[in-house]
Amino acid sequence: KAGVTQTPRYLIKTRGQQVTLSCSPISGHRSVSWYQQTPGQGLQFLFEYFSETQRNKGNFPGRFSGRQFSNSRSEMNVSTLELGDSALYLCASSTSKVGYTFGSGTRLTVV
Amino acid sequence: KQEVTQIPAALSVPEGENLVLNCSFTDSAIYNLQWFRQDPGKGLTSLLLIQSSQREQTSGRLNASLDKSSGRSTLYIAASQPGDSATYLCAVRPMDSSYKLIFGSGTRLLVRP
Repeated sequence: KAGVTQTPRYLIKTRGQQVTLSCSPISGHRSVSWYQQTPGQGLQFLFEYFSETQRNKGNFPGRFSGRQFSNSRSEMNVSTLELGDSALYLCASSTSKVGYTFGSGTRLTVV
Repeated sequence: KQEVTQIPAALSVPEGENLVLNCSFTDSAIYNLQWFRQDPGKGLTSLLLIQSSQREQTSGRLNASLDKSSGRSTLYIAASQPGDSATYLCAVRPMDSSYKLIFGSGTRLLVRP
């Protein structure tokens, strides 16, 4: 059974650019969440989508946005990148029965 | 506001030792609690999920307990091995319709051969 797939695995971007990260959930999982992990702040919730609807968003600036498609695949976008956006971005799909399954993450470096 | 704390922050033990990792949370209104393992630079691997109605879950050498009333969970690792070296994270899913996990800061475990 395929797990959660995140692409790309690594990204290097320049300040001011924008970036789009992709996440394909486990088949049948309709809830997809995104988290940012940094050494200083730990794991921070970005947003959660269910059946194409954003149900919650974390305390991040409007530069961070996301969406979910009808096949449950999700993307997140960060515009006007800042150095502080360098982090590991993790996507998870979940059900109440099995909990959360995370992908391998996308390592974003902003230079 | 739900807060999750993990103690100790780091732990170094010799191979073969049994060990306990602790997780505490401030609000007992949770759907479930989940333990994860993270290897350096990698994603999170789910170890055990304990629903709020359950007291413990077991998988191989791992056993996790949940005491909602006291806001505590423990992860017991039996007969530790060098391959168990990783960061262990606990996370709670609050019962507040926030649809998110609240994570502790993790325990970094080193098992010495």
